Amino acid sequence: DQQVKQNSPSLSVQEGRISILNCDYTNSMFDYFLWYKKYPAEGPTFLISISSIKDKNEDGRFTVFLNKSAKHLSLHIVPSQPGDSAVYFCAASPGANNLFFGTGTRLTVIP
Amino acid sequence: SQTIHQWPATLVQPVGSPLSLECTVEGTSNPNLYWYRQAAGRGLQLLFYSVGIGQISSEVPQNLSASRPQDRQFILSSKKLLLSDSGFYLCAWSPPVGRNRAYEQYFGPGTRLTVT
Repeated sequence: DQQVKQNSPSLSVQEGRISILNCDYTNSMFDYFLWYKKYPAEGPTFLISISSIKDKNEDGRFTVFLNKSAKHLSLHIVPSQPGDSAVYFCAASPGANNLFFGTGTRLTVIP
Repeated sequence: SQTIHQWPATLVQPVGSPLSLECTVEGTSNPNLYWYRQAAGRGLQLLFYSVGIGQISSEVPQNLSASRPQDRQFILSSKKLLLSDSGFYLCAWSPPVGRNRAYEQYFGPGTRLTVT
């Protein structure tokens, strides 16, 4: 059972525009959420996280929004750059040692 | 700063052969350690995690096993590989529970395993 879902397998965005990547979860016990970026044949790189006590966290061009009532989070990248092209994974933690990952969204930023 | 190493980077093994993948972490003590697998076109699946030397929790029953002989060393093994074991294997570490940002996991470069 997939507790973290990324329903869009791919997304294409023009350089300079906003990229919005979405993630839904089913487990109300999740209290910490993370986004990772992954290039082919490399390990995922941690991008940004948010605790369930917040609804927004910002780090440079990256902002994560959390809507607990909808069990939904999103990652906004503004402005998008060609180097942002990668697979983005959403992950959630119930507070123990586990991270539950989504299946990823491939972002392509078109120059 | 902390660094995580995995080797080998790529591996081609015949069905039925043994497997040993190694992961080491530098620059931290008593980390939590993890093994994940990413099968083609799929997300990351947690295989094992460890909170200390000799302590291994298995998330998915399979023919793989893990060991943690030292604080910062994590090994993934198999006695006999199956075709279905092919995939991209990732080791990760996180600070122990109670430390700052203990939820965040940091990944190694991965090992591409092809079982033929």
